[in-house]
Amino acid sequence: AQSVAQPEDQVNVAEGNPLTVKCTYSVSGNPYLFWYVQYPNRGLQFLLKYITGDNLVKGSYGFEAEFNKSQTSFHLKKPSALVSDSALYFCAVFGAAGNKLTFGGGTRVLVKP
Amino acid sequence: DAGVIQSPRHEVTEMGQEVTLRCKPISGHDYLFWYRQTMMRGLELLIYFNNNVPIDDSGMPEDRFSAKMPNASFSTLKIQPSEPRDSAVYFCASRASTDTQYFGPGTRLTVL
Repeated sequence: AQSVAQPEDQVNVAEGNPLTVKCTYSVSGNPYLFWYVQYPNRGLQFLLKYITGDNLVKGSYGFEAEFNKSQTSFHLKKPSALVSDSALYFCAVFGAAGNKLTFGGGTRVLVKP
Repeated sequence: DAGVIQSPRHEVTEMGQEVTLRCKPISGHDYLFWYRQTMMRGLELLIYFNNNVPIDDSGMPEDRFSAKMPNASFSTLKIQPSEPRDSAVYFCASRASTDTQYFGPGTRLTVL
């Protein structure tokens, strides 16, 4: 069975400071990892993914994530957070043998001016 | 591409009424997923299809819920009869094979 853990329900950060949203996963075989963002009253928007290759993945809106196989982690990062980054962030995974994404519980990010 | 299209965007109905939610996936995508999102339970996968065939409906909460995909460009999620606890945002999503999954804007359902 595959699973995703987002250990923090909420992350608070001041505008301009670095932002990190944590994600760890468990899956059989090589993982396909994704980050999505959900703004209020909107659907989930794709941010970035790791399939294979470089462990550092760059995505939309200045976000990046680092795949760490030994720690089974895929943390989302942004060097300088904006107030407009305030949203709900979801990490998701499926393994090579799986067909459906397993989502973490989500982390609410609040960026204060 | 227009992305995943869902209708209606908002639905308010009374308990006991039938509700039908609609989804048009992205052209060429062979997987289609229905999710439900609530504050209490978060994001839940209800059912998914591959090439129009239901593969896993283990997330469908009760027999009151049913989903169909008559062709590659259309799917419905039906609730009959609806109950207040069905109030939620329902998302449709689609993807091609192991590629990125894209979500629709959602249907906000309120059952009075």
